[in-house]
Amino acid sequence: GAVVSQHPSWVICKSGTSVKIECRSLDFQATTMFWYRQFPKQSLMLMATSNEGSKATYEQGVEKDKFLINHASLTLSTLTVTSAHPEDSSFYICSATRQGLYNSPLHFGNGTRLTVT
Amino acid sequence: GENVEQHPSTLSVQEGDSAVIKCTYSDSASNYFPWYKQELGKRPQLIIDIRSNVGEKKDQRIAVTLNKTAKHFSLHITETQPEDSAVYFCAANTSGGSYIPTFGRGTSLIVHP
Repeated sequence: GAVVSQHPSWVICKSGTSVKIECRSLDFQATTMFWYRQFPKQSLMLMATSNEGSKATYEQGVEKDKFLINHASLTLSTLTVTSAHPEDSSFYICSATRQGLYNSPLHFGNGTRLTVT
Repeated sequence: GENVEQHPSTLSVQEGDSAVIKCTYSDSASNYFPWYKQELGKRPQLIIDIRSNVGEKKDQRIAVTLNKTAKHFSLHITETQPEDSAVYFCAANTSGGSYIPTFGRGTSLIVHP
């Protein structure tokens, strides 16, 4: 149980275009989902906390107009990288915890490798 | 906010040896400490966790210890195998309604056959 599906697994786009990444909890409801960015051989950098039915909470230094997050249902959160540039190339991973369970493990998606040319 | 320090950043051992990874945290209100294993190009996966009301937890070759007074916790892997090679992340969750985990920087464990 506790499966999180993330799509696409990889994407190549041209500079200036937008890319949408989906994160779905397949067998549980997730009030909150987290979006991370991971550079090679580095830790998980929290970008934002996605809350169902409300605005996302962004970490300091993360541009909310560039990284649009929508959490329209208890099982789906999306991250849209707008007007992507080569410096946005990275590995993006979402995660979720079961609704109502605080301080419980995170269940991660498989990640999305974004390459902006 | 919470600050988690993790050491070492790289750990190289021979197959069969033990490996220990240590983490310290700053927020005494933290009460949940998970460990995740991330293989190259894959998602992090929980391998073991411990809560603040417990000092030690073991699952086969993996164990975690917690010292609340000193605010540090450690991952112990015994009889290491090549498939244990991966990056390991510790994390600490604070209480009080905010359960966003703070991750350590990760430890790259290499087990040589």
